Amino acid sequence: DQQVKQNSPSLSVQEGRISILNCDYTNSMFDYFLWYKKYPAEGPTFLISISSIKDKNEDGRFTVFLNKSAKHLSLHIVPSQPGDSAVYFCAAGDGATNKLIFGTGTLLAVQP
Amino acid sequence: ETGVTQTPRHLVMGMTNKKSLKCEQHLGHNAMYWYKQSAKKPLELMFVYNFKEQTENNSVPSRFSPECPNSSHLFLHLHTLQPEDSALYLCASSQGSANTEAFFGQGTRLTVV
Repeated sequence: DQQVKQNSPSLSVQEGRISILNCDYTNSMFDYFLWYKKYPAEGPTFLISISSIKDKNEDGRFTVFLNKSAKHLSLHIVPSQPGDSAVYFCAAGDGATNKLIFGTGTLLAVQP
Repeated sequence: ETGVTQTPRHLVMGMTNKKSLKCEQHLGHNAMYWYKQSAKKPLELMFVYNFKEQTENNSVPSRFSPECPNSSHLFLHLHTLQPEDSALYLCASSQGSANTEAFFGQGTRLTVV
């Protein structure tokens, strides 16, 4: 049973537009959430995180929104750039176990 | 450079072979992890070590045997694997406290023939 779900396997966006990547989770014990970016033949790299006590966290072009009642989070990238093309993984964890549970990833393609 | 180094980057092994994957972290972290990434599946957590002690074994078959001799090194010993074990194996480390991100190595691409 997948506790973290990314229902869109891929997303294509024009350069300069907004990219919105979505993630849903089922475990109400999760208290922090992260987004990772992965290029082919490389390990995932941390992008941005949010604690369950917040509903928004912004870092430059990247903003993560958390809706706890809906158990939903999203990553907004604006403006999107071709270098943003990668697989984006959503991950969730609870502070008691230090385990991160990952989604299946969404392949983002930013078209020039 | 992520501070987490995995060797080898690629490995091809037969089903009767014994091999080991190595991970080393230079970040002073207390927790280390093994993840498996198969095509079209989420990153699957395999093992967690905190301060060299195994705190999680996520129902991993015994043909995968982890070893953590110290907080900086983590091994995954492989024995009599199956072709379906072919995947990208990722090592990660974290500070071990709540709400900290994990840093990943570049992974070992394993092919079992």
